[in-house]
Amino acid sequence: DTGVSQNPRHKITKRGQNVTFRCDPISEHNRLYWYRQTLGQGPEFLTYFQNEAQLEKSRLLSDRFSAERPKGSFSTLEIQRTEQGDSAMYLCASSLERVSLEAFFGQGTRLTVV
Amino acid sequence: AQTVTQSQPEMSVQEAETVTLSCTYDTSENNYYLFWYKQPPSRQMILVIRQEAYKQQNATENRFSVNFQKAAKSFSLKISDSQLGDTAMYFCAFMKHVVNSGYALNFGKGTSLLVTP
Repeated sequence: DTGVSQNPRHKITKRGQNVTFRCDPISEHNRLYWYRQTLGQGPEFLTYFQNEAQLEKSRLLSDRFSAERPKGSFSTLEIQRTEQGDSAMYLCASSLERVSLEAFFGQGTRLTVV
Repeated sequence: AQTVTQSQPEMSVQEAETVTLSCTYDTSENNYYLFWYKQPPSRQMILVIRQEAYKQQNATENRFSVNFQKAAKSFSLKISDSQLGDTAMYFCAFMKHVVNSGYALNFGKGTSLLVTP
């Protein structure tokens, strides 16, 4: 297993367009997290899945954001009607419940809204 | 809400020397975990070291050790015998210990560490 994989690595989009990012966690990991990291800041928690269930959402996750994890495997994060303030690095992480608290991160998707 | 503060935006250390990165946090929780994560340039974040709040003994991982002062809510990272590969952003992070919770991490703003030859 090569770790957590995120695609695309970079995305440039025009304001108002919709974008979708994909995260493939480590195969046996049942927990999956999305974080957002802006320049000069640490990652901020967005949402969390246990298997296919979305159990926690941050107040940062506005109505324009939606995340899914069908069948408890890969996850997608969609942003509708993008705004310039959405420009950030979107990080995905996964972990295995009851084994370790260590979260394994992907390399992230860098979104630029122009 | 928990806040994590890293007061050193940038630090520099010479190869083979020792450097200490500071972190303080604010919480009303009694059970929690603290982490240091490393984010090398253009690479994914990886866990450096972890500390359980209920453990008095400071965690150690090879050249990395922490000074955990629970009463002072302080959690510093010491890197001994610094290597060029230690150059990275270092993030201090807090996790509440709540049964069946999401175990989300609450990060500080990070400290950029440069190791020079």
